[in-house]
Amino acid sequence: GQQVMQIPQYQHVQEGEDFTTYCNSSTTLSNIQWYKQRPGGHPVFLIQLVKSGEVKKQKRLTFQFGEAKKNSSLHITATQTTDVGTYFCAVPPATDSWGKLQFGAGTQVVVTP
Amino acid sequence: EAQVTQNPRYLITVTGKKLTVTCSQNMNHEYMSWYRQDPGLGLRQIYYSMNVEVTDKGDVPEGYKVSRKEKRNFPLILESPSPNQTSLYFCASSPGPGAYNSPLHFGNGTRLTVT
Repeated sequence: GQQVMQIPQYQHVQEGEDFTTYCNSSTTLSNIQWYKQRPGGHPVFLIQLVKSGEVKKQKRLTFQFGEAKKNSSLHITATQTTDVGTYFCAVPPATDSWGKLQFGAGTQVVVTP
Repeated sequence: EAQVTQNPRYLITVTGKKLTVTCSQNMNHEYMSWYRQDPGLGLRQIYYSMNVEVTDKGDVPEGYKVSRKEKRNFPLILESPSPNQTSLYFCASSPGPGAYNSPLHFGNGTRLTVT
């Protein structure tokens, strides 16, 4: 079946530094979504990428969809304590099944002041 | 306020005692889904519903039941809970169609402990 891997699993970042987290799929994707979950909270939708090579920015967050549509990255610039949380990618299955959405295991981000 | 409401937030029960976790959304969304979250495993889909009276299995449906008699409600039923169902559960909805072409709105979660 389809494999979705997020790396790294954990990311310790000094406040002010940049970091990148990656989501890799074993199959070509039609689109990809990113969610953020704060500690003790619920996942919140961040963005959806659809086109090959697509780049979208939300303030200090930059999302990119790979040219082959098999991977995606989230880059955070000048990390702040508000960036703490777990970031998940979510992808549709390889086969047509509009009801299913597969989440990666997430990247847990800890920010040191 | 547009929201997905789950109840209860916390639940401790014993093995074999039937329980229901309720989920309600006020956004007139067609699509609803249940996920469980366990450390290191991310969110795994239990069941989903594309519309009223239409439900289907996700990736980990064993030991769970659902129903969708009304558009707004999508309860999760554990007929005979076991300790391996101890987890954090999330209900989610989206306008649809389907799950992956529109954002999911999540409830606040239900932390279930089965002893």
